[in-house]
Amino acid sequence: DMKVTQMPRYLIKRMGENVLLECGQDMSHETMYWYRQDPGLGLQLIYISYDVDSNSEGDIPKGYRVSRKKREHFSLILDSAKTNQTSVYFCASRPNRGRDTQYFGPGTRLLVL
Amino acid sequence: AQSVTQPDARVTVSEGASLQLRCKYSYFGTPYLFWYVQYPRQGLQLLLKYYPGDPVVQGVNGFEAEFSKSNSSFHLRKASVHWSDWAVYFCAVSGNMGYKLTFGTGTSLLVDP
Repeated sequence: DMKVTQMPRYLIKRMGENVLLECGQDMSHETMYWYRQDPGLGLQLIYISYDVDSNSEGDIPKGYRVSRKKREHFSLILDSAKTNQTSVYFCASRPNRGRDTQYFGPGTRLLVL
Repeated sequence: AQSVTQPDARVTVSEGASLQLRCKYSYFGTPYLFWYVQYPRQGLQLLLKYYPGDPVVQGVNGFEAEFSKSNSSFHLRKASVHWSDWAVYFCAVSGNMGYKLTFGTGTSLLVDP
């Protein structure tokens, strides 16, 4: 069964603290994504990773960075979190072959106080 | 730039009634279109996808969608709604088979018992 996992599921941080969100997948998918979801805005793409150490900015990369050292793991880092980064963050993965689609994790709810 | 408009933020239907959720896209070229569903506190799950070919696409749980190039639309339909269909539905467009998705803002479906 294809699975994307995210840790932690819930997180509360204070403004200025560093935040690390982890994503894993067990499907050996080459491409992975980080999105954020805010009410009324749908999902917005933060970063794409096409494979290990091959990352590309999405539509809203400011304030975020990513790390991918293993194919199955993709991290989202917020250095000095801001209150406007309070959101639900979703990770997704996709194989590089054919007409497949993205598989989403369950999300991480981040509250920055 | 590609974009998706879901004009109805919320739709309420009675259980057993038919359903149509609207989606309008903007894309210069051949679009690939997707409908995802998000159940409470979960990630997104694929309902169905359209790749160039038959304009009517069948998905899971009795959902189908019809692509119209002339209307730039990809509306989602179901003949008889079940209470378990209560969720948020997202339409998305891509120009490259799903590598980079642009999502609409979502439509919340409420089902009256």
